[in-house]
This record gives sequence, structure tokens and C-alpha cells, in this order.
Amino acid sequence: ETGVTQTPRHLVMGMTNKKSLKCEQHLGHNAMYWYKQSAKKPLELMFVYSLEERVENNSVPSRFSPECPNSSHLFLHLHTLQPEDSALYLCASSQDPRTGELFFGEGSRLTVL
Amino acid sequence: DQQVKQNSPSLSVQEGRISILNCDYTNSMFDYFLWYKKYPAEGPTFLISISSIKDKNEDGRFTVFLNKSAKHLSLHIVPSQPGDSAVYFCAASFNDYKLSFGAGTTVTVRA
Repeated sequence: ETGVTQTPRHLVMGMTNKKSLKCEQHLGHNAMYWYKQSAKKPLELMFVYSLEERVENNSVPSRFSPECPNSSHLFLHLHTLQPEDSALYLCASSQDPRTGELFFGEGSRLTVL
Repeated sequence: DQQVKQNSPSLSVQEGRISILNCDYTNSMFDYFLWYKKYPAEGPTFLISISSIKDKNEDGRFTVFLNKSAKHLSLHIVPSQPGDSAVYFCAASFNDYKLSFGAGTTVTVRA
């Protein structure tokens, strides 16, 4: 098993759809993250969970809803998205949030029509 | 407000030569700096880091230099290899999990 696994790798959805992105880490880490990467822009931190508690919501619109049922799994629930939400969504985990050494998944490429 | 900037979106270098990637930051409170490497269709992978108490950290072909007074970070790759062709992200943090990333520099190593 690879360290951080994301599914699906590609997702196309309409603006009225509801879908979810899934992330699973097999590294025994305590913290998990969602990042958004838009073309030619820096990675943007969306959410951070540490020991299954959300510790950061970086001013993300409510149409993005995270869920962390346990330390190994992280979801990003999507509903009524906008075309500008089309991006690569990256999940990451870390053992020690303070060192910033994140282990990323391969990302889920989202296209909103 | 972008606190970490990579002003060169791309860099082309001949195989065997040195690649120098630059990064500037604005927040003087940053105390930990990292470089990540990303291949197409893959997530970023951690490459090398440096704490603000150091000015140099070396790992094989990769060396990171930190100039705190200039708020400048650089990554040297010597010698450059075709497998080094990727996007490189600079990142910085201050005592917490909030990494601030640069927009990335695409490195192309020519044979």
C-alpha cells in the first residue's frame, strides 16, 4: 500500500451534484490535510485535522465539507460547486504538524461543469 | 497576500550542470523551510528542509541555502539529471502546520 491514497483520481460533476473525495493514509500519522491546487497558483490549505479534530478551516466556502471519521481516513464532501472550484485537490498527512513534512497523495482532479 | 514567492516559473538546464531554484518570503516569523518536488499526475513529495537556525542543509545532490537577512531561500541541484525534471515548490511555516507554498518552478533538464 502506498502512503497516502486518494480516490477518485478524476471526477467530473455538474453544479448541482453531490460527490465526495476520499483519502486514506497508511503511515500512522496523526494529522491530515486537504489542499487545493489551481493552475499556476500556490497550494492553498483548506482543512487540517489533528487527532481527528478539525484544527483549521481556512475560510473555505461551506459547499466544501470535510469529514475525518478516524486518523486514517479523510473525506471532502462536495455540493453545489462552481466551475471555479475545478482544481486538483490534494490530501496529505504528517506525523508532526509542526515540522511541515507532509506526505501527499496523488490528488483528485475535479472538473465542475 | 502571498508570503512565499517563486519568481521564476521555469528553468531549463543541461544535464550535468547545476540547477539553482530561488524562493523569497516576506514573513520574518517563518522558522522552517521546505522544498517539494512534483511530477505530473503525482502528488508533491518532500525533498529537503532547513530550520531557521541553520544556513545550509545538504542531502546528496541537493543543497538548500537560507539567507534570513535577505529572506531568501535557494535549492541547488548538482549535477542535474533528467529525472530531476519536475515542478519544485518552496514552502515555509512558523511553528505550526500552516505551510505557505510558492507557485512552483518547472525545471527541465536537457540531455
